[in-house]
Amino acid sequence: GAVVSQHPSRVICKSGTSVKIECRSLDFQATTMFWYRQFPKQSLMLMATSNEGSKATYEQGVEKDKFLINHASLTLSTLTVTSAHPEDSSFYICSALLSEQFFGPGTRLTVL
Amino acid sequence: QQQVKQSPQSLIVQKGGISIINCAYENTAFDYFPWYQQFPGKGPALLIAIRPDVSEKKEGRFTISFNKSAKQFSLHIMDSQPGDSATYFCAATFSGTYKYIFGTGTRLKVLA
Repeated sequence: GAVVSQHPSRVICKSGTSVKIECRSLDFQATTMFWYRQFPKQSLMLMATSNEGSKATYEQGVEKDKFLINHASLTLSTLTVTSAHPEDSSFYICSALLSEQFFGPGTRLTVL
Repeated sequence: QQQVKQSPQSLIVQKGGISIINCAYENTAFDYFPWYQQFPGKGPALLIAIRPDVSEKKEGRFTISFNKSAKQFSLHIMDSQPGDSATYFCAATFSGTYKYIFGTGTRLKVLA
């Protein structure tokens, strides 16, 4: 139980385009989901907390207009990287909260 | 006060040996301390977690030791195997929010 999926697992896009990443809790409902960013050989950096039916709460320094988060249902949260640039290239990981955080497998974003 | 300090940054252990990773925190309000294992290109997976009302928790080859007065906790991997080679993250949180503060990570390599 407590499986979280992410789609896509890898995405390559051109600079200036937008990319949407989906995070799904497959066998449970999650009122709260989290989005993280991880650079190579570094720890997970929390970007935002996503609550179903309400606006996401962004961490300090994270541009909310750049990283749009939508949590439209109890099993799906999406992260859209708008007008992506090479510096947005990173590993994005979501988690869903049940009794604790269960993490997805991550999405590798490469912006050319 | 929100930091979790993790050491060592990297660790090399012989097969069959004991791997020990340490974490220290400042905020005494933290009440849940999970450990995660992450393989390259994958999301973190929960290994074991502890609450401050116990001093030790063991699950298979993995043991958490918790010292509340010193505000420290550690992960011990007994009989370390090459398959344990991964990055390990400790975390701390308040059970009211489950917003995790992650340590910086330890890259473990177990030699065959």
